Amino acid sequence: DAKTTQPPSMDCAEGRAANLPCNHSTISGNEYVYWYRQIHSQGPQYIIHGLKNNETNEMASLIITEDRKSSTLILPHATLRDTAVYYCIVRAPFGNEKLTFGTGTRLTIIP
Amino acid sequence: GAVVSQHPSRVICKSGTSVKIECRSLDFQATTMFWYRQFPKQSLMLMATSNEGSKATYEQGVEKDKFLINHASLTLSTLTVTSAHPEDSSFYICSARDGAGGSQRTQYFGPGTRLLVL
Repeated sequence: DAKTTQPPSMDCAEGRAANLPCNHSTISGNEYVYWYRQIHSQGPQYIIHGLKNNETNEMASLIITEDRKSSTLILPHATLRDTAVYYCIVRAPFGNEKLTFGTGTRLTIIP
Repeated sequence: GAVVSQHPSRVICKSGTSVKIECRSLDFQATTMFWYRQFPKQSLMLMATSNEGSKATYEQGVEKDKFLINHASLTLSTLTVTSAHPEDSSFYICSARDGAGGSQRTQYFGPGTRLLVL
């Protein structure tokens, strides 16, 4: 799987949009970008995933650059409950479907 | 989204005993389940991949005789930590992959089991 690079930590004011970047410059053409988050002492929670096009769901939006070498997860109106470690993971569609977790970004929402 | 449960949520045991952790997919069938381990202040590390009806595939460095995995049905996988020792104390998390969805099959994670070996 392609390696991803994320900033170790970020702060965001409550109610503002949180924009979490991820670099995946070695991504292959058929690999998906997945985002998970882990709130303290819980299992990771699936957020969103995409291949080429931007995606949006009830939790977040995913913006993938045209060259697919980076992406941004957007939490439109951050709340205190969004404080967590956010992981950006690149995964092949078939065969080896293991998820390799990096160190992620620790997002802290400030009241 | 899909729901994955784990039982127990936490367990304390004496050194040398065996501990079984269950992972269930509640509203979907999971042909593949994964077991992870997470030590304090570290990221998740994959231990093994469990396929229904076949032997699990273990990651390098994970002892298959110590961490027994059984995936007897499409909704249940178990991890047994045999002869547990204090260094096995960790947060064990399973995930289940939805069999539907083609190339976009997503893994959903359980809430985790915290094991403390005294």
